[in-house]
Amino acid sequence: DTGVSQDPRHKITKRGQNVTFRCDPISEHNRLYWYRQTLGQGPEFLTYFQNEAQLEKSRLLSDRFSAERPKGSFSTLEIQRTEQGDSAMYLCASSGDQGSTEAFFGQGTRLTVV
Amino acid sequence: QKEVEQDPGPLSVPEGAIVSLNCTYSNSAFQYFMWYRQYSRKGPELLMYTYSSGNKEDGRFTAQVDKSSKYISLFIRDSQPSDSATYLCAMIRWDSWGKFQFGAGTQVVVTP
Repeated sequence: DTGVSQDPRHKITKRGQNVTFRCDPISEHNRLYWYRQTLGQGPEFLTYFQNEAQLEKSRLLSDRFSAERPKGSFSTLEIQRTEQGDSAMYLCASSGDQGSTEAFFGQGTRLTVV
Repeated sequence: QKEVEQDPGPLSVPEGAIVSLNCTYSNSAFQYFMWYRQYSRKGPELLMYTYSSGNKEDGRFTAQVDKSSKYISLFIRDSQPSDSATYLCAMIRWDSWGKFQFGAGTQVVVTP
């Protein structure tokens, strides 16, 4: 396990459809983060997990968005009833416990809503 | 006003020059600071992190933090065309550990 893995790398979906993304963190990392990045902007925080517990959620994470990390390993991010404004790169990162500032990002899932 | 401000560039420099990047922030609660490099259509890659005022060196990279001025910098010496990328600063508040606040990123172009 050499890094954070995200699947799929690209997703094109029609407006109104549901999509689900998966993230596999670095195996020994307890913390897992989801961020969203649009063109020309830095990543924006969505949510993060400590093991299986979701500790913080951004106001950006509307009720159409849900994230899970059921066994404290991989995580999924689901977007229901997608809108064109959801088009972005969705990034996952992982790190050790609090006190570890080294968060490592995956390659991202690029979502296009048409 | 954004909590973290970063000039988007682009910043164009000739090969071998020193690249100077910076971010300013408004909230003194930010305690930990990082620099990421992001190539086009890739995820950010961690370059350096620091939590204290002063300089930290790693090879061709130097990170500088001035907490009194709420200002951080990254210097890249002997720049190479492979350094052409977007550089993102990021920081964490002591009271919200999981929430990294990123700047918008500065695009750097190193010309041969």
